[in-house]
Amino acid sequence: DIQMTQSPSSLSASVGDRVTITCRAGPSIDTYVNWYQQKPGKAPRFLIYAASNLQNGVPSRFSGSGSGTEFTLTISSLQPEDFATYYCQQSYTPPYTFGQGTNLEIK
Amino acid sequence: QVQLQESGPGLVKPSETLSLTCTVAGGSVSSANYYWSWIRQPPGKGLEWIGYIYEYGRTDYNPSLKSRVSILVDMSKNQFSLRLTSVTAADTAVYFCARGFGESLYGFSFDPWGQGTLVTVSS
Repeated sequence: DIQMTQSPSSLSASVGDRVTITCRAGPSIDTYVNWYQQKPGKAPRFLIYAASNLQNGVPSRFSGSGSGTEFTLTISSLQPEDFATYYCQQSYTPPYTFGQGTNLEIK
Repeated sequence: QVQLQESGPGLVKPSETLSLTCTVAGGSVSSANYYWSWIRQPPGKGLEWIGYIYEYGRTDYNPSLKSRVSILVDMSKNQFSLRLTSVTAADTAVYFCARGFGESLYGFSFDPWGQGTLVTVSS
């Protein structure tokens, strides 16, 4: 199975901050990474596909980058509604695997 | 707009079979382009892909669960279902159904998802 390792596991930040979440894949998976946002008690929301492409309706303050084994999700200016848990997912081959999540909390 | 909704018992006894149904609205489970998927999330933990059904009944499962899982489709009801046998406490989780889709250029994604249903394995 392709392993997806996210860091940090939790992150405290303030409204207006710029934050970056990292996901490392093993082995290399080109740009086959998706990102999801999950709020407590809710289903995950699909944010980014193929490492850097925003899904329809996702605000432009979200961006993704990376290829090979290292990927990042960046939120340029945190808004109150962005505090949630974020997951990466390798979209290269089954079994599709997810990172363990990054809990983004209000400082 | 496609919507998915899980249903089924919230409590299952150890060694018994977990059975859940996902009802699809605004789309068709007979569509050849989509992979009707199950994903689970143990309390306080991350997401685990269970498997999917596609192309009128073809399936693919996570090897970690393959010996115990089956996914079926009922096109007349526009539903698909999950069966997981011989459950233990480790199978306690929120179970999500989701629509999967893939392209060679962009990879495989899950969107949308149902709201999820908590299944507890306990006597």
